[in-house]
Amino acid sequence: KQEVTQIPAALSVPEGENLVLNCSFTDSAIYNLQWFRQDPGKGLTSLLLIQSSQREQTSGRLNASLDKSSGRSTLYIAASQPGDSATYLCAGTNDYKLSFGAGTTVTVRA
Amino acid sequence: EPEVTQTPSHQVTQMGQEVILRCVPISNHLYFYWYRQILGQKVEFLVSFYNNEISEKSEIFDDQFSVERPDGSNFTLKIRSTKLEDSAMYFCASSGEGTGGYTFGSGTRLTVV
Repeated sequence: KQEVTQIPAALSVPEGENLVLNCSFTDSAIYNLQWFRQDPGKGLTSLLLIQSSQREQTSGRLNASLDKSSGRSTLYIAASQPGDSATYLCAGTNDYKLSFGAGTTVTVRA
Repeated sequence: EPEVTQTPSHQVTQMGQEVILRCVPISNHLYFYWYRQILGQKVEFLVSFYNNEISEKSEIFDDQFSVERPDGSNFTLKIRSTKLEDSAMYFCASSGEGTGGYTFGSGTRLTVV
């Protein structure tokens, strides 16, 4: 069973600082690693999908890397803005279901 | 961009009552899922559905729960005889063939009183 851990649980940074969010998983035979954003009381918005044959994906200010051998993924958010404040979840799959981490709650201070 | 649609967004029900949560997955997706998130906890898998049958279910998904695809577009989760501990956000998701990503709906917040 895939276990996913996210550290830190919470992060507060001033606007403009780069964010680094960490995700670790136990089973290196991972198919996909997907990063989501969740606003309070809301649904899950997909940010980036990294397939097992890929090492990273980029979208705008977001970049996510995947290192299967070390069981880690990192989400980088460049030049953070107050609108980036949210909880970020990573989720991995070895089959057709996702295993989620508990998330990192980010606060970007104006 | 295609969306997964869930209704209702919020449902309050009395303990012991039955509820049906509804979802319209993305039209060309083949795999359908229900997940739930109890307040302050991780998102957890309930069930996956493919080719008109359950392909996998978690230990949470006991006889109290059932899923159905009554027509070509809707996907429902029925919870019989609701309990206080069923209070959670329930998410529907769908995915296409192969190792593509998952698209989630905005969720139904179920409150059992």
